[in-house]
Amino acid sequence: EPEVTQTPSHQVTQMGQEVILRCVPISNHLYFYWYRQILGQKVEFLVSFYNNEISEKSEIFDDQFSVERPDGSNFTLKIRSTKLEDSAMYFCASRLSTGAIESKNIQYFGAGTRLSVL
Amino acid sequence: ELKVEQNPLFLSMQEGKNYTIYCNYSTTSDRLYWYRQDPGKSLESLFVLLSNGAVKQEGRLMASLDTKARLSTLHITAAVHDLSATYFCAVVPEGVAGGTSYGKLTFGQGTILTVHP
Repeated sequence: EPEVTQTPSHQVTQMGQEVILRCVPISNHLYFYWYRQILGQKVEFLVSFYNNEISEKSEIFDDQFSVERPDGSNFTLKIRSTKLEDSAMYFCASRLSTGAIESKNIQYFGAGTRLSVL
Repeated sequence: ELKVEQNPLFLSMQEGKNYTIYCNYSTTSDRLYWYRQDPGKSLESLFVLLSNGAVKQEGRLMASLDTKARLSTLHITAAVHDLSATYFCAVVPEGVAGGTSYGKLTFGQGTILTVHP
């Protein structure tokens, strides 16, 4: 079964450093997302990406964050200057399309990257 | 701002018993999802509910959606230990004024379910 792949599974970084989290969405999917989950808390939306541009972003997704889909397969999240409060599990998700067919609306999540900022 | 609230947040059940998790949301929604998360793992899709009155069943789990009441339920029948996990509902708000909803999920707080022998 196709799956969303994320690398690395765990990233440790120093405060102020840049990190890039990588994702390979399911190949024919059109909508891409990043979410994060701080330990023990609920999952929070960061950004959605469609047709090679950001379609929606949350208040969390400030100027320190950016996303790219450089080559038609990878989807990356960059944090320019990490803060302690960026420590969380970051999930990438993808979805085939929209409309009335349930199976096409499922957002499939990757296994996540645990980011630890020291 | 869309708010999604789950009830209860913690649920301790005996094997064989039935129970229901509730998910209330505050604005009109396009669609509602239920996910399962095991400790330290990703989110596994359980159900997608796209219309008022939708009911979906998979094994011992059954989900329903009442868009008028802005309420979804996840019913557990004859619980077994393997169902122990955290269950999240997540809602996509309706697209604004004819525009497109890009599918941003707003999650509830999660219900931690523990099933005891």
